[in-house]
Amino acid sequence: AQKVTQAQTEISVVEKEDVTLDCVYETRDTTYYLFWYKQPPSGELVFLIRRNSFDEQNEISGRYSWNFQKSTSSFNFTITASQVVDSAVYFCALLNYGGATNKLIFGTGTLLAVQP
Amino acid sequence: DTAVSQTPKYLVTQMGNDKSIKCEQNLGHDTMYWYKQDSKKFLKIMFSYNNKELIINETVPNRFSPKSPDKAHLNLHINSLELGDSAVYFCASSHGTGRDSPLHFGNGTRLTVT
Repeated sequence: AQKVTQAQTEISVVEKEDVTLDCVYETRDTTYYLFWYKQPPSGELVFLIRRNSFDEQNEISGRYSWNFQKSTSSFNFTITASQVVDSAVYFCALLNYGGATNKLIFGTGTLLAVQP
Repeated sequence: DTAVSQTPKYLVTQMGNDKSIKCEQNLGHDTMYWYKQDSKKFLKIMFSYNNKELIINETVPNRFSPKSPDKAHLNLHINSLELGDSAVYFCASSHGTGRDSPLHFGNGTRLTVT
């Protein structure tokens, strides 16, 4: 069964703090893709990153970084020096490699509130 | 400019009515989707079409009927609306099944059934 767990329902930080959002996934596939999406208060879903299961290199994009560890089935997301504009719900998602009936399975999301 | 656009943004209607949500993408993608986000923000796939052909149909009541007149459009028609249908519905598109490109989402349609 495919499953994504985001155990942190809500996180509140003060601006300029670093924050890590956890994501743990379950899959029996050896090939799969992991994603992070951001949903700001305005409601749209914004794609942040896609990572395939063969690429365990960590990635950094500005203040955002992602740590993919297959050994612990985790794909954690860190925001450095958080800003108020980072306040949003963040979703981790898993896509298996199976074929035409691939489904993107989302975690339940983590609400990040960055206080000024 | 908008890549995936859906209309309307808000839809308020009474139980028992029939309503439609339209979705169009100008990204040249061949696969389109409908996702439902419930009041707890949980996102779940409803349907997926590839080149106008239905390829994923989750356990969705048959009051929900998607229609894809061409690969740039995927509309969602809902018959006999119920209170539990209140949610935000997102349209999305991708190349292939999402392996080759991430899903790009529309801005959502907030449906409220009273």
